[in-house]
Amino acid sequence: DVKVTQSSRYLVKRTGEKVFLECVQDMDHENMFWYRQDPGLGLRLIYFSYDVKMKEKGDIPEGYSVSREKKERFSLILESASTNQTSMYLCASSGQANNYYGYTFGSGTRLTVV
Amino acid sequence: RKEVEQDPGPFNVPEGATVAFNCTYSNSASQSFFWYRQDCRKEPKLLMSVYSSGNEDGRFTAQLNRASQYISLLIRDSKLSDSATYLCVVNGGGNNDMRFGAGTRLTVKP
Repeated sequence: DVKVTQSSRYLVKRTGEKVFLECVQDMDHENMFWYRQDPGLGLRLIYFSYDVKMKEKGDIPEGYSVSREKKERFSLILESASTNQTSMYLCASSGQANNYYGYTFGSGTRLTVV
Repeated sequence: RKEVEQDPGPFNVPEGATVAFNCTYSNSASQSFFWYRQDCRKEPKLLMSVYSSGNEDGRFTAQLNRASQYISLLIRDSKLSDSATYLCVVNGGGNNDMRFGAGTRLTVKP
């Protein structure tokens, strides 16, 4: 089974802090994604990467950056956390072109910014 | 118009009931389709892929209608453990093109 591991289940940070969310997958997948999920809005794509050191903006990249130095690890960075970034963050990976078999998600990080 | 739209729900049904969810999508070039299940405060998990000919997995049946651009999920003989949110997911074809519906909440009651 593919395993996608997110480093923290729950996180509380203060406004203005720099926040790192880590995601590691163990199946040599090329494609990795960061989403946030908010009630009534569904999942929204923040950034994705289809190769090491490659990154592409998703639908809502403002206030975020990412890093992919190794194939198995994809990090999401909140440069200066704000209260409107309080959300559930989900990392996903897929190993097929066009995500033909869908994604595998990590267990999520529930971030609260106070 | 949202790219993927689902029944707003919530659906509250008794055990043993049959329940159907519909989902419409706007991108006619979409190539692959999925239903995911998400339990409260957990990550989405793949329930089933949806194939052009329709497919069945036990009590679950998924149908795709490309002409009308909709997908359905039918759950027969509902169990308490089916209570969850069901997400419709559509892939337009690119590596970044998975689009998620907002989800439909199902509660199965004794």
